[in-house]
Amino acid sequence: EAQVTQNPRYLITVTGKKLTVTCSQNMNHEYMSWYRQDPGLGLRQIYYSMNVEVTDKGDVPEGYKVSRKEKRNFPLILESPSPNQTSLYFCASSLSPTSPWTGGDSYNSPLHFGNGTRLTVT
Amino acid sequence: GQNIDQPTEMTATEGAIVQINCTYQTSGFNGLFWYQQHAGEAPTFLSYNVLDGLEEKGRFSSFLSRSKGYSYLLLKELQMKDSASYLCAVRTQGGATNKLIFGTGTLLAVQP
Repeated sequence: EAQVTQNPRYLITVTGKKLTVTCSQNMNHEYMSWYRQDPGLGLRQIYYSMNVEVTDKGDVPEGYKVSRKEKRNFPLILESPSPNQTSLYFCASSLSPTSPWTGGDSYNSPLHFGNGTRLTVT
Repeated sequence: GQNIDQPTEMTATEGAIVQINCTYQTSGFNGLFWYQQHAGEAPTFLSYNVLDGLEEKGRFSSFLSRSKGYSYLLLKELQMKDSASYLCAVRTQGGATNKLIFGTGTLLAVQP
């Protein structure tokens, strides 16, 4: 079954204790991304990766790190979590987001989301 | 700047039709997606529009007008299980990423 797998689903931790949220996809997607979702703010992009060893900041990257050593895995690392990082986190993947106006063939490839990780930092 | 607007909440009756609007102002346009998200769950893909007009998929249809920066999602024959948040997302143009920007979502409550 094609899917994006995130772990853990729920995590409660304390300020400053390093943690990693894992994300793995089995669809051979080039593009992967992390989002956080907060009430009233919608989904905001933290980091994304266009392919192996290619990562870049999204809109809210402060306090987070990522790596893309293999195509299927894209872990999110919080080196020193703080209470303002309490949120619902989603990993997502898709084929490369090409343009429909330049002949790309994956322009309509939707994001496939993992089931989410609800993180609480006390 | 980049902006996507949707109503925060809507209420509709089982069996009825509801239209959820989305307006956008973005740097370039590479298509508009609609996602459904039940509380505490992952968003799931509903539809994609890049050309003007209506795309129909069973009980769900999505409309796009690029000149007006406007889209709507039409849900027919509403069922209780359609109670969810509906997210409008625009794929912008720019650099290597053609970034996807999400609206804050419309929470739809379907009542008996």
